[in-house]
Amino acid sequence: KNQVEQSPQSLIILEGKNCTLQCNYTVSPFSNLRWYKQDTGRGPVSLTIMTFSENTKSNGRYTATLDADTKQSSLHITASQLSDSASYICVVSALGSQGNLIFGKGTKLSVKP
Amino acid sequence: GAVVSQHPSRVICKSGTSVKIECRSLDFQATTMFWYRQFPKQSLMLMATSNEGSKATYEQGVEKDKFLINHASLTLSTLTVTSAHPEDSSFYICSARDVASGRALHGDTQYFGPGTRLTVL
Repeated sequence: KNQVEQSPQSLIILEGKNCTLQCNYTVSPFSNLRWYKQDTGRGPVSLTIMTFSENTKSNGRYTATLDADTKQSSLHITASQLSDSASYICVVSALGSQGNLIFGKGTKLSVKP
Repeated sequence: GAVVSQHPSRVICKSGTSVKIECRSLDFQATTMFWYRQFPKQSLMLMATSNEGSKATYEQGVEKDKFLINHASLTLSTLTVTSAHPEDSSFYICSARDVASGRALHGDTQYFGPGTRLTVL
């Protein structure tokens, strides 16, 4: 069964600190993996997208990694800001899925001053 | 970048009434749009896939007669919640798939709308 598991469920960090969010997936055949940021009451916004051949992708203070062998991905946030408080969702697409995405439940990040 | 809008952003209605939610791709054409529902502290759940000019494909457990989807143009899809009940209260999010050349970096890039908060009293 295609699944995406994220950890931790929630995380509280102080402003300025770094953090890493984890994503494990069992989607096959794999097409790509995306990280989204979803603010409360808003739609998801894409941060990064990686295919099988990509190991790392950065977008400002966000850096995503992908290990297609172990089927794991991480999202590292550097020098966190209060505005980083949101849910971060790992989403995996399967080949031939006609656009259907498999969503993780997300990690709720709270950045405190 | 590609922008998807939704209208209204929030709506409150009485039980038994119908509510229409619009999803528009503002700067690209979307042959396929997706409708999701998200309950509090839950992930997005796909309700249906909307293809321009044809009938929508509904996920298992989603009533097609209750959630009417129309995708009459390449930039607009609508979701109508008919005879709404309090249990239909949720956050409804659409996404649009841009497969035009130059954007189809991964063949199935989806752009999400900002969502519509539906509250049924």
